[in-house]
Amino acid sequence: QVQLVESGGGVVQPGRSLRLSCAASGFTFSSYAMHWVRQAPGTGLEWVAVIWYDGTNKYYVDSVKGRFTISRDNSKNTLYLQMNSLRAEDTAVYFCATDISGTYVWGQGALVTVSS
Amino acid sequence: QLVLTQSPSASASLGASVKLTCALSSGHSTYAIVWHQQQPDKGPRFLMNLNSDGSHSKGDGIPDRFSGSSSGAERYLIISSLQSEDEADYYCQTWVNDIQVFGEGTKLTVL
Repeated sequence: QVQLVESGGGVVQPGRSLRLSCAASGFTFSSYAMHWVRQAPGTGLEWVAVIWYDGTNKYYVDSVKGRFTISRDNSKNTLYLQMNSLRAEDTAVYFCATDISGTYVWGQGALVTVSS
Repeated sequence: QLVLTQSPSASASLGASVKLTCALSSGHSTYAIVWHQQQPDKGPRFLMNLNSDGSHSKGDGIPDRFSGSSSGAERYLIISSLQSEDEADYYCQTWVNDIQVFGEGTKLTVL
């Protein structure tokens, strides 16, 4: 069974850092690009970042460039999102997701709250 | 710039049918899209891929009541025999060069 499970969310003060993890199972993790998508309270879905299957290419939405870093460890079947210099507007549920041969798979999400 | 436009809200009666629209921006009329459903207080759920010719492939367990079609730059999600659990937000999504773009979503109310 294909599964994505996020962890690492929590409450953090503005300017601080947090790292999210996404554990993958049920598919060949090292063969697929992986995405982070977020959803601020009461709003729609916003794509955040993507990393290629082998980690060689990474792309980000403009609002997180220079602050967030997407990475992966294919030996551990795990995706990461390192979030630095967090702002109040980064408060959201963060989902990891992937497209496996035409079927989009979502994790359950991890809530990140940036507040003093 | 690639933009997906969705109406903010839609409503239809229990047992009726509804057609939700996702419009691709100019110059992108041949793009395929994906439809996702997000029920209240839940994560998104993949519904289907939808191509420019109207062919579509649904996710596992998606009822036959859900279908898709296309016309020009518009992509449609058709839900027939509406049930109460269909009340949800529906998002369309596409991509260009690995970067994903989401529509702003349509909130469907089942009356």
